[in-house]
Amino acid sequence: ETGVTQTPRHLVMGMTNKKSLKCEQHLGHNAMYWYKQSAKKPLELMFVYNFKEQTENNSVPSRFSPECPNSSHLFLHLHTLQPEDSALYLCASSPRNSGDQETQYFGPGTRLLVL
Amino acid sequence: GQNIDQPTEMTATEGAIVQINCTYQTSGFNGLFWYQQHAGEAPTFLSYNVLDGLEEKGRFSSFLSRSKGYSYLLLKELQMKDSASYLCAVKDSNYQLIWGAGTKLIIKP
Repeated sequence: ETGVTQTPRHLVMGMTNKKSLKCEQHLGHNAMYWYKQSAKKPLELMFVYNFKEQTENNSVPSRFSPECPNSSHLFLHLHTLQPEDSALYLCASSPRNSGDQETQYFGPGTRLLVL
Repeated sequence: GQNIDQPTEMTATEGAIVQINCTYQTSGFNGLFWYQQHAGEAPTFLSYNVLDGLEEKGRFSSFLSRSKGYSYLLLKELQMKDSASYLCAVKDSNYQLIWGAGTKLIIKP
């Protein structure tokens, strides 16, 4: 039990569908992150929220839309995705997005397949 | 550009010792992390180095040389449950984590 949960764990969607990924952290952290993990590639940081404010958007296509209603919840809204968007989407949290020894704690991820 | 290099895959024998290397080129340095990720699971924190030298934590140790842009993770008395991917990540000058692609470690009986 890492304290960070993600739902759903697996998702199959067509290119015209709209779906949302949910992340919840029970660690009292103030920073939350979305990452994309593709096979044999480094983790790609997508979005960072610090105290509910988006502080990082790494040139992510607009078909990915994040939402952070409070410090404990993070969503990733998906629409008109492409097959190359198939990957493991990981959520993480940390006390805050600064400092050197800030450790990020990860959820188990959502395995997404776009057909 | 920023780059983290680590071997794609390594194989070792149960009970043995294995060293996983990581070299990095980043804009600034604010610490290096090692994470373990079992297949289908979340990455979990293993170790953190910000000063040169060796940090020991049970069967796992992590070494850092900032002048060489180099770190390694040393796993002793390998167990089958150590079969996993090991991710190296560096915090750059903006305190963002730059990740390596991970090393898949296969333990054989």
